[in-house]
Amino acid sequence: SQTIHQWPATLVQPVGSPLSLECTVEGTSNPNLYWYRQAAGRGLQLLFYSVGIGQISSEVPQNLSASRPQDRQFILSSKKLLLSDSGFYLCAWSVGTNQPQHFGDGTRLSIL
Amino acid sequence: RKEVEQDPGPFNVPEGATVAFNCTYSNSASQSFFWYRQDCRKEPKLLMSVYSSGNEDGRFTAQLNRASQYISLLIRDSKLSDSATYLCVVTSGNTPLVFGKGTRLSVIA
Repeated sequence: SQTIHQWPATLVQPVGSPLSLECTVEGTSNPNLYWYRQAAGRGLQLLFYSVGIGQISSEVPQNLSASRPQDRQFILSSKKLLLSDSGFYLCAWSVGTNQPQHFGDGTRLSIL
Repeated sequence: RKEVEQDPGPFNVPEGATVAFNCTYSNSASQSFFWYRQDCRKEPKLLMSVYSSGNEDGRFTAQLNRASQYISLLIRDSKLSDSATYLCVVTSGNTPLVFGKGTRLSVIA
């Protein structure tokens, strides 16, 4: 069966520090991969999605970037975090664009 | 008009009650529809897909009305464990899923 791993579960970072969140999927090949952010009490905001290695679509311009160095690995990065980057970051995968997405446990990021 | 709209609630209902949520979508070309459930401080989880003919999974029934562009979720015999936020999700063509902001349900003893 397919599983998705996302780490760390919680992270506290100072303003201006770099960020790297990693997500891996097991049990499937060539999945669509997604990064979302959810601010407290708000809806899901799609940040990036990828339909294949090296293919990244950005939905919201900001100081974050994403990379997909391997088929089942999706990385979210920032060179300098802002206070507004705080939130709940979720990675998800799906078989195809119109198919249900399955989420990792999420990373709760606090910027101080 | 927002792509997917939901009443944010909260819906406060007693145990055993029947509760229904609606969700409207703006893109008439939308093809796939889902309901997700999100518990507080947790990831969203797929509750059920919504099929054109309507579908049922235990106490949960989902309906699609293409003419009026809305989907619904009916929960019968509500349990305390049904308390959560329910997200309406719509997709069309080659665009990723669009998530509604959710409807919060509290089932009260």
